[in-house]
Amino acid sequence: SAVISQKPSRDICQRGTSLTIQCQVDSQVTMMFWYRQQPGQSLTLIATANQGSEATYESGFVIDKFPISRPNLTFSTLTVSNMSPEDSSIYLCSVDSYTFGSGTRLTVV
Amino acid sequence: DQQVKQNSPSLSVQEGRISILNCDYTNSMFDYFLWYKKYPAEGPTFLISISSIKDKNEDGRFTVFLNKSAKHLSLHIVPSQPGDSAVYFCAATPSTASKLTFGTGTRLQVTL
Repeated sequence: SAVISQKPSRDICQRGTSLTIQCQVDSQVTMMFWYRQQPGQSLTLIATANQGSEATYESGFVIDKFPISRPNLTFSTLTVSNMSPEDSSIYLCSVDSYTFGSGTRLTVV
Repeated sequence: DQQVKQNSPSLSVQEGRISILNCDYTNSMFDYFLWYKKYPAEGPTFLISISSIKDKNEDGRFTVFLNKSAKHLSLHIVPSQPGDSAVYFCAATPSTASKLTFGTGTRLQVTL
């Protein structure tokens, strides 16, 4: 199965700034998925990223807030833009139902 | 609308005993169910899955039971070990190619 390297593992950011999270996969994959886990909540899918096309966002998530890049079949980034304390969460990428990155714990102050 | 629910936020079990984690769902379109274990500062680790055509799937110490009529599944861990202490998530999907809907998790603590 694929191995995903996700970074940063954690960050503390000032409100109003942006953070870009990276996921590198050790093999080529068609789709990558980005999830958010707010404190005490379940994992929620933000968007699905296919290489060469616009990401597909789930209800409640918009491209201006969470722009995603997918420049090739092994790499993707998620940016959390204009952050507020409500964005404090764990952000995870995955490549299928079985393989997840280690997560990015984001705290916005 | 929480379509997948884990009503027990935490569970404590003695080492060697059985751990039973429960999960309920409301969407009849869900056809495939998965369980994950998550340690702090790590991503979810896939444990075991079950298709709706089955009512039981077993893998070593882990067994998942599915009751479609009750829209209920459970994960049994026998015997429980201290290393099993983690947060367990169930997830459901209409098919293996569709998005996952996760429960809120149950924190399992296995005591000596």
